Amino acid sequence: ETGVTQTPRHLVMGMTNKKSLKCEQHLGHNAMYWYKQSAKKPLELMFVYSLEERVENNSVPSRFSPECPNSSHLFLHLHTLQPEDSALYLCASSQDPGTGRDGYTFGSGTRLTVV
Amino acid sequence: SQQGEEDPQALSIQEGENATMNCSYKTSINNLQWYRQNSGRGLVHLILIRSNEREKHSGRLRVTLDTSKKSSSLLITASRAADTASYFCATGLNNAGNMLTFGGGTRLMVKP
Repeated sequence: ETGVTQTPRHLVMGMTNKKSLKCEQHLGHNAMYWYKQSAKKPLELMFVYSLEERVENNSVPSRFSPECPNSSHLFLHLHTLQPEDSALYLCASSQDPGTGRDGYTFGSGTRLTVV
Repeated sequence: SQQGEEDPQALSIQEGENATMNCSYKTSINNLQWYRQNSGRGLVHLILIRSNEREKHSGRLRVTLDTSKKSSSLLITASRAADTASYFCATGLNNAGNMLTFGGGTRLMVKP
């Protein structure tokens, strides 16, 4: 257990479904991140939140919608996804936004399969 | 574009041997970090080396940084089967507000 908890661990959804991924950290960190990890590709940064404000959005399609209601919780709302969106979605947190004085703490990820 | 690139992409060694992984990057950095990922799990932070440091140790891990060559290496000594995982380098750029950028990783297999 790293201190960053992601649920669910696995998710299978149809292209017309709406689902949400949840991330929770109680490390007192001020920044939270969503990364996408596809097979044979480097981790792709999707969204960054610092003190509940979105500070980065890396040209992610609008079918992915993040939400950060407080500094401990981060959601990724999914709707009308495509099969190529199937991937491991990783949440991370750090003390400060940016490169992190002590590195990032990652959750175990949600394995998403779009059918 | 991808900032860090690991080499080799895959490495297979016997238990007890040393494993060396390399990372090259393109622009000046603030720090460089190494992470480990077991199959299908999240990444675990191993070690961070700042741009003004040349070498750092943590247990069986030794990291070097050569900013003139824009490269870093991770050495795992006396490897164990439990070290089998993917290892990623991540670079923090000098520009304010930049986030960590990860390379494609080295898949290490340690055979018992």
